[in-house]
Amino acid sequence: GENVEQHPSTLSVQEGDSAVIKCTYSDSASNYFPWYKQELGKRPQLIIDIRSNVGEKKDQRIAVTLNKTAKHFSLHITETQPEDSAVYFCAATLYALNFGKGTSLLVTP
Amino acid sequence: EAGVVQSPRYKIIEKKQPVAFWCNPISGHNTLYWYRQNLGQGPELLIRYENEEAVDDSQLPKDRFSAERLKGVDSTLKIQPAELGDSAVYLCASSSGTLEAFFGQGTRLTVV
Repeated sequence: GENVEQHPSTLSVQEGDSAVIKCTYSDSASNYFPWYKQELGKRPQLIIDIRSNVGEKKDQRIAVTLNKTAKHFSLHITETQPEDSAVYFCAATLYALNFGKGTSLLVTP
Repeated sequence: EAGVVQSPRYKIIEKKQPVAFWCNPISGHNTLYWYRQNLGQGPELLIRYENEEAVDDSQLPKDRFSAERLKGVDSTLKIQPAELGDSAVYLCASSSGTLEAFFGQGTRLTVV
């Protein structure tokens, strides 16, 4: 099955800095790569996704890049704000989401 | 439009007791997933339904876990008997086939 590795497990940045989270996957057949944000005690919420026919996608301060050859994808958050503090999960899928272990992002004012 | 609805939100049971969780997916979503999320970990797939058919239950511990989605809409997940290690958040998600999955609030199970 699909194996998704995510790092770092924790990330602390100052407000206004950029944050980058990286993931690798094992199944070259995976074709959909979403990112979820989960605040403490709440449900995971989709923040951005990318499909295998696209190399990069941007939505305001959030961007995702995909390198299918190397089987890795990354989440980039620019101009971070304290409300960006949460756990972020990457996932890769052909039919069902296989999640990484998460990155706890802390944005300090 | 209502999101994915799960109940109960919290459940505390003694070990060896049975427990059931209920999920109502987003209307029109034919794919339903049950995930288990342990503290500090990512969600792990237990079972995936396409309409009423369980198409992937390879990660479901079948000796004690069962699930059903009789009419291809609501679903229940049951554990009998529960063990201490089953304490986790059980998440239900649904999608319409585009792979964009929406999660419910989850049921936090504590087995004592």
